[in-house]
Amino acid sequence: DAGVTQSPTHLIKTRGQQVTLRCSPKSGHDTVSWYQQALGQGPQFIFQYYEEEERQRGNFPDRFSGHQFPNYSSELNVNALLLGDSALYLCASSPRGGIGNQPQHFGDGTRLSIL
Amino acid sequence: AQSVTQLGSHVSVSEGALVLLRCNYSSSVPPYLFWYVQYPNQGLQLLLKYTSAATLVKGINGFEAEFKKSETSFHLTKPSAHMSDAAEYFCAVIPNAGGTSYGKLTFGQGTILTVHP
Repeated sequence: DAGVTQSPTHLIKTRGQQVTLRCSPKSGHDTVSWYQQALGQGPQFIFQYYEEEERQRGNFPDRFSGHQFPNYSSELNVNALLLGDSALYLCASSPRGGIGNQPQHFGDGTRLSIL
Repeated sequence: AQSVTQLGSHVSVSEGALVLLRCNYSSSVPPYLFWYVQYPNQGLQLLLKYTSAATLVKGINGFEAEFKKSETSFHLTKPSAHMSDAAEYFCAVIPNAGGTSYGKLTFGQGTILTVHP
């Protein structure tokens, strides 16, 4: 049973560019959340997708956008990259709409470096 | 806003010693509580979660955590540390808003556990 998979594992971009990160949830999960983890910090919630719509959003600018597909996989897009966007981006999935204390299962993340 | 405080960014113990990692939350209504572990260059793995069924929660790898409402705490313990326990540990919460809690995890800053031979 495959867990949460993310691609690519590493990515290097320059300021001003755009990037797309991808996530396939754990089998049976329908809810996908994205987190940004800067070096030495805890993950910060970016947004969550359920039924192909953004249901919740953290304190991130509109440069961060996403999408969820009918097969529950998801993409995270970041436009106009800034140096401060360098971080580990984590995808997490959960079952049954992620209601309550449904455990979230995390992928290994995409390490994004901005030059 | 919900917040989580982990006391001690670094904890160092000897192999075989007790592990105690501290976590306090700030809310009048006890949130859903979780502990995650992160090994280098990996994602987060769930150690345990508080379900309100019991105040002492047992997790994987011999870890357990005790929920104390009066102290707004959810400290993580393990009786005997192993070298393989060296990692970063995160306490996290989801606000308990009944049927409208949708898994927005708020994490603490993390505690790096070092285990000495």
